[in-house]
Amino acid sequence: DTGVSQDPRHKITKRGQNVTFRCDPISEHNRLYWYRQTLGQGPEFLTYFQNEAQLEKSRLLSDRFSAERPKGSFSTLEIQRTEQGDSAMYLCASSPEGRATQYFGPGTRLLVL
Amino acid sequence: AQSVTQLDSHVSVSEGTPVLLRCNYSSSYSPSLFWYVQHPNKGLQLLLKYTSAATLVKGINGFEAEFKKSETSFHLTKPSAHMSDAAEYFCVVSDRGDDKIIFGKGTRLHILP
Repeated sequence: DTGVSQDPRHKITKRGQNVTFRCDPISEHNRLYWYRQTLGQGPEFLTYFQNEAQLEKSRLLSDRFSAERPKGSFSTLEIQRTEQGDSAMYLCASSPEGRATQYFGPGTRLLVL
Repeated sequence: AQSVTQLDSHVSVSEGTPVLLRCNYSSSYSPSLFWYVQHPNKGLQLLLKYTSAATLVKGINGFEAEFKKSETSFHLTKPSAHMSDAAEYFCVVSDRGDDKIIFGKGTRLHILP
């Protein structure tokens, strides 16, 4: 399968702990996007990369959140000092270029206790 | 600024009857419009997209949507619902000059036997 993959699929953590999620995009895709989806809502944009460069960050991305794509391939999203409000599905998507169709991974469901 | 409104949070139809999921958009430029489907515990899957070619767009699984600029609408239809169509559907808009996509809040489609 050559689709977008995310790891882990589920994560339960205690408030105050740090968590890190990984996304592997479709191999030829230059663009990589992170979204957050809470219950009953559509996904909300967090940030995106063109190769290894982070081009834009949403105001939703507080200073506890950091994303990297060091070699322009996989990306990580880290949340420091997690809060209960961080509980959500974190989705990753990739596309071959800007303004092209985005292909989504299965998501990482985070529960902060 | 771009935005999208899905007019119904829940729609219920009987198996074999037509499906109509409504979507209105707001866009400063000529938009790209998409419909994605999300089945439980699965990733978002692209159903169809409009990018300024034919206004009637055909997608997968018998779905289609019509772009109506005068009504700023992009409603999703299917002539005959199947039990496997039960899922969450998201209408998505992207301005031509913007790499980001904006999701609606979603419409949950229920199929009655």
